Amino acid sequence: DSGVTQTPKHLITATGQRVTLRCSPRSGDLSVYWYQQSLDQGLQFLIQYYNGEERAKGNILERFSAQQFPDLHSELNLSSLELGDSALYFCASSAGGTSVLVGDTQYFGPGTRLTVL
Amino acid sequence: AQSVTQLDSQVPVFEEAPVELRCNYSSSVSVYLFWYVQYPNQGLQLLLKYLSGSTLVKGINGFEAEFNKSQTSFHLRKPSVHISDTAEYFCAVTGSAGGTSYGKLTFGQGTILTVHP
Repeated sequence: DSGVTQTPKHLITATGQRVTLRCSPRSGDLSVYWYQQSLDQGLQFLIQYYNGEERAKGNILERFSAQQFPDLHSELNLSSLELGDSALYFCASSAGGTSVLVGDTQYFGPGTRLTVL
Repeated sequence: AQSVTQLDSQVPVFEEAPVELRCNYSSSVSVYLFWYVQYPNQGLQLLLKYLSGSTLVKGINGFEAEFNKSQTSFHLRKPSVHISDTAEYFCAVTGSAGGTSYGKLTFGQGTILTVHP
């Protein structure tokens, strides 16, 4: 158990809909990362938050957005869903101290499997 | 930009045999390398990481990896595998090249290790 929790575990929805994935980081971790794992694209970094602020963006679509709340949990919002958005979405967290952001161990949650029909 | 290439998509091996999973990365001014393991229907777990210092890194479950800067490689090895090592293994890189990368991981495509009795 990494200490990172993600809800829900599975999500089935239809094209055009909007969903919210939730992540609670390990106690004390300030950084939260979102990754997407799909068969054709592999594991891809989406976005990172550190202590409530966006820090880095990867291959995140404009239809996707995220935020980190004062209690440090994070939500990933996916809208206007398409069939190709079906994937496993992982959240990871790290301590994220300002001097050791690079090289920090990232602890991964169990993922949310999104199926768009 | 950084990239990772895992040279084998699948590696079958018999129990108690040695195994090597190969990983090459694109060079950067400073690079940090990781190996993660993903068991079926689970999140990713860190096996080991190289940040600096000794090029031979030991990790959990008897795995080790060697950082080779001239070959831009970070191969993962285990002298004797068990059935329970059957999983998908991911090599990942992070780092900076003058700027700040804030720790986002760039993953390889993964290598499925299957250990046969």
